[in-house]
Amino acid sequence: EDQVTQSPEALRLQEGESSSLNCSYTVSGLRGLFWYRQDPGKGPEFLFTLYSAGEEKEKERLKATLTKKESFLHITAPKPEDSATYLCALAGAGSYQLTFGKGTKLSVIP
Amino acid sequence: DAGVTQSPTHLIKTRGQQVTLRCSPKSGHDTVSWYQQALGQGPQFIFQYYEEEERQRGNFPDRFSGHQFPNYSSELNVNALLLGDSALYLCASSFNGDGQRGNTQYFGPGTRLTVL
Repeated sequence: EDQVTQSPEALRLQEGESSSLNCSYTVSGLRGLFWYRQDPGKGPEFLFTLYSAGEEKEKERLKATLTKKESFLHITAPKPEDSATYLCALAGAGSYQLTFGKGTKLSVIP
Repeated sequence: DAGVTQSPTHLIKTRGQQVTLRCSPKSGHDTVSWYQQALGQGPQFIFQYYEEEERQRGNFPDRFSGHQFPNYSSELNVNALLLGDSALYLCASSFNGDGQRGNTQYFGPGTRLTVL
């Protein structure tokens, strides 16, 4: 069974204080690893798709990386508007569904 | 370019009633998936529709059913509502043409269902 575990559950950062969010996973054949941002009461907003170990993608202050067991979302010099819940999900072999973790709630304090 | 749209935004029902939620996919997408998200949890997969057929189903009872129309839009129906069905219901659309790679799913804003 595909599984996704995200840590920490919650993270408080000062504005400008860089950090990383972790997504560890078990899957029988990874077809894609996805990162989303979700604001309260809204639908998840797509950030990145990663397909193979060693792949990296960047967007503004965010950088996602992938190994065979984990993915990291690095946040460089965060701003208060980066506060949100960040969700990690995967698509496994032979499956069309996304399996999600519970998310990491990030708060960036001015 | 319109993204994924869902209606209604909010809905209040009582136990035992039936509800229909609607979704229009992002332009160019042909596949629709539905997810249920309880407070503080990640979304849980309900089912996916492609070519007007249910292609895969998650661990949800038969009270949850769906439909996809020729224009790729979709409906989620829930019968005999329970208190535990209160959640944010998310629709996601994708394009089926990416071969072996996992197709990126784009989510709508969700429908907040409250069952009293």
